[in-house]
Amino acid sequence: SQQGEEDPQALSIQEGENATMNCSYKTSINNLQWYRQNSGRGLVHLILIRSNEREKHSGRLRVTLDTSKKSSSLLITASRAADTASYFCAYMTTDSWGKLQFGAGTQVVVTP
Amino acid sequence: SQTIHQWPATLVQPVGSPLSLECTVEGTSNPNLYWYRQAAGRGLQLLFYSVGIGQISSEVPQNLSASRPQDRQFILSSKKLLLSDSGFYLCAWSGGRGNQPQHFGDGTRLSIL
Repeated sequence: SQQGEEDPQALSIQEGENATMNCSYKTSINNLQWYRQNSGRGLVHLILIRSNEREKHSGRLRVTLDTSKKSSSLLITASRAADTASYFCAYMTTDSWGKLQFGAGTQVVVTP
Repeated sequence: SQTIHQWPATLVQPVGSPLSLECTVEGTSNPNLYWYRQAAGRGLQLLFYSVGIGQISSEVPQNLSASRPQDRQFILSSKKLLLSDSGFYLCAWSGGRGNQPQHFGDGTRLSIL
């Protein structure tokens, strides 16, 4: 299956710093989504960005999408200890209605 | 509001035993339903998805099967578990239009001994 690639695999930062993670994919997409997973729990949807959009914001989160480079980034500003989690990108290709391809995730640790 | 329930939260089963994991959704009708498996430290692998009662699509050949006996009920089953079936199983739903976010249950941690 065509999985997305995320980097870095792990990120350790201090409270108040910004965290940036990237996602790359290899095919045409309908939309790209970012999810968060706390240890041992289900995933929580953060942001969905459509292929005709370039940037979206939600609170302290900012997502960009560059379809020419087939890449997306998630920025968490002014991080908090509660932001400690794994973050996954997932994309929906133009020929796979309703199905998401997930990346391997970025594990983010925010220390107080 | 919509909620999704998955149970049990953890399960320890011997090799060769049967399996039944259940997922139900409340507060919405005709959802798309999904079963995923997540290996430790990895992303999610889609196992099955369903767009309606009795309509199941399998994404990977495996020892598992899925059924959707009711609109908001999705069941993952196996007749004989293998060691390789161990993992974290997640159920999710999304709205009827494919271009929608997915909403996940809290998962079942399955250990095969």
